[in-house]
Parts: sequence; structure tokens; C-alpha cells
Amino acid sequence: DTGVSQDPRHKITKRGQNVTFRCDPISEHNRLYWYRQTLGQGPEFLTYFQNEAQLEKSRLLSDRFSAERPKGSFSTLEIQRTEQGDSAMYLCASSLSGDSAYGYTFGSGTRLTVV
Amino acid sequence: DQQVKQNSPSLSVQEGRISILNCDYTNSMFDYFLWYKKYPAEGPTFLISISSIKDKNEDGRFTVFLNKSAKHLSLHIVPSQPGDSAVYFCAARETSYDKVIFGPGTSLSVIP
Repeated sequence: DTGVSQDPRHKITKRGQNVTFRCDPISEHNRLYWYRQTLGQGPEFLTYFQNEAQLEKSRLLSDRFSAERPKGSFSTLEIQRTEQGDSAMYLCASSLSGDSAYGYTFGSGTRLTVV
Repeated sequence: DQQVKQNSPSLSVQEGRISILNCDYTNSMFDYFLWYKKYPAEGPTFLISISSIKDKNEDGRFTVFLNKSAKHLSLHIVPSQPGDSAVYFCAARETSYDKVIFGPGTSLSVIP
């Protein structure tokens, strides 16, 4: 297992375009999280899944954002009608439920730049 | 409303000395506290955690101390090494939710 994989690593898009990111978690992990990080800030929680069920969404996640995890494996995060304020690092993490002491395993992130 | 605070954006320490990174929190419902380390262009990496029922946890050169009455925790790295230079995030998990809330981070520089 190579850990949590995110694709693409970098994405530059024009304002108003739609973008989609993919995350492949560690195979035996049933929980998957999306976070967003901007410069000088810590990661901010966006949403998480247990298997294929989306259990919580942050108030930060506007209607332009949607996440899916079909079949409880990989996940996608789509941003519609991107805005310059969406420019950030989007991080995916996974964990096994009940493993609170061991933290999450993060991917290397997708850096989005909206021009 | 920032529930996890790291008031020092940066810290410089000489190699071999002790690094102390501090963190304060406001939510008394947090049940686990964690420290993550982040290098540029990589995702955060889990370092060490502590349960809210303990006051100390040690793993090699890294020790985390928790003072629940003060809602304060700290990460001690001793001896500090140049490879420890990174951004350190303090994080906390709330009992009834399975999400981790991060502080803004402290950038540690260990000078050879």
C-alpha cells in the first residue's frame, strides 16, 4: 500500500470553471476526510465519509462544493464555478474508525490556483 | 472562533537544545490531542497523540504534556535536530464527532 494518493498534485483553472479532485485512501481505512489549507493556516475540515456515507459537512462547504465516495473506496471533490477564494491546498486523509490515538494519514494534497 | 490556538507562528532553536511548541484550546469536550508535522509540498504527518485522561505521553525524542485545567498542551523535542525543521500543527478531536480540528501551526527552525 502506497498510502493516501491524491490526483492531480496541481491544478490551475480559470474563474468560473469546474474542477474535480480524486483521492485514493489506504485500502483498509473506512473513513475518508477532506480538508482545505490556505497559507498560514492549519487544515480546515470540509467533510468526511464512513464507507460510502457522507456523515458531516462543514459550514465552509458551499453549494458549489460536492464530494462523493462511491462504493466506499476512492473519493472525488468537485468545485463548480470556481472563485479566486477557492485557491488553496485540498488535502485528503483516511483512517480506521476507532483509531483515535493514531491520527489520520494524509495525502500530499492538490494545490488549486484559480486565476 | 478558533478552538485550537498556536500563538507562536515561528520558533528557532539551536541543534541539540530543547524545542517547546505550545498549544491552547477552548473546547473542554476534546478527548484526544494530536501533533502533526508538515514539510513543504507534503501533507501533514502524524507525530504523537495524548488522551485527555493522561497528562504525558512520550515517544523517543518527542513528549507531549497536557494540562487540562489550563486547557494547554505542549510538545517537547529533545534533542532538536535539523531534520525537525518543519511546521508543527496542534490538533484536537471532539468526543461526539470524528473530525480533527487543527491549529494554525508553528514553523520550527533547528539551526545547525
